Amino acid sequence: DVKVTQSSRYLVKRTGEKVFLECVQDMDHENMFWYRQDPGLGLRLIYFSYDVKMKEKGDIPEGYSVSREKKERFSLILESASTNQTSMYLCASSVSGDWNTEAFFGQGTRLTVV
Amino acid sequence: KQEVTQIPAALSVPEGENLVLNCSFTDSAIYNLQWFRQDPGKGLTSLLLIQSSQREQTSGRLNASLDKSSGRSTLYIAASQPGDSATYLCAVPYSSASKIIFGSGTRLSIRP
Repeated sequence: DVKVTQSSRYLVKRTGEKVFLECVQDMDHENMFWYRQDPGLGLRLIYFSYDVKMKEKGDIPEGYSVSREKKERFSLILESASTNQTSMYLCASSVSGDWNTEAFFGQGTRLTVV
Repeated sequence: KQEVTQIPAALSVPEGENLVLNCSFTDSAIYNLQWFRQDPGKGLTSLLLIQSSQREQTSGRLNASLDKSSGRSTLYIAASQPGDSATYLCAVPYSSASKIIFGSGTRLSIRP
């Protein structure tokens, strides 16, 4: 079974803190994603990585950065956390290729910024 | 621009009923379509993936169909159970693997 593991289920951080959300996948997938999910807004793509050290901005990259130093690990960084970044964060991975891009998700991290 | 719509937004049915969840998309140039389940406060669980060349895919009591020409997919759940209560989302990768467009989901409640 494909496994995508997010380091924390719940996090509470203070405004202005630097926050790291970690995601690890065990299926040697090339693609990894970070989404946030908010009521009424659905899933929105923050960043995407298609290979080690490669990244693309998604729809809402402002206030976030990412790091992919190893193929299995994709980190989301909140440089200076703000209350409007309180959300559910979801990491996903998929194999590269346009004919079979089944995506697998982690269990989610509920981040609260106070 | 690809848009994915799921109707209804919420559905409540008694246990044992067969039901159909709908997903529509505006651009038929899709690689595949994926159905997910999400329990409250949890991540997404992949249920079924239908390749663009397929018309349907089955897993247990679930059957998903795809009609690219009409821009529609349906998820059929047979003999519904309270444990099926969750939000169901459909998603299509569009343009490239980096763009996965999600529907807003159907929140399903199965009454015992």
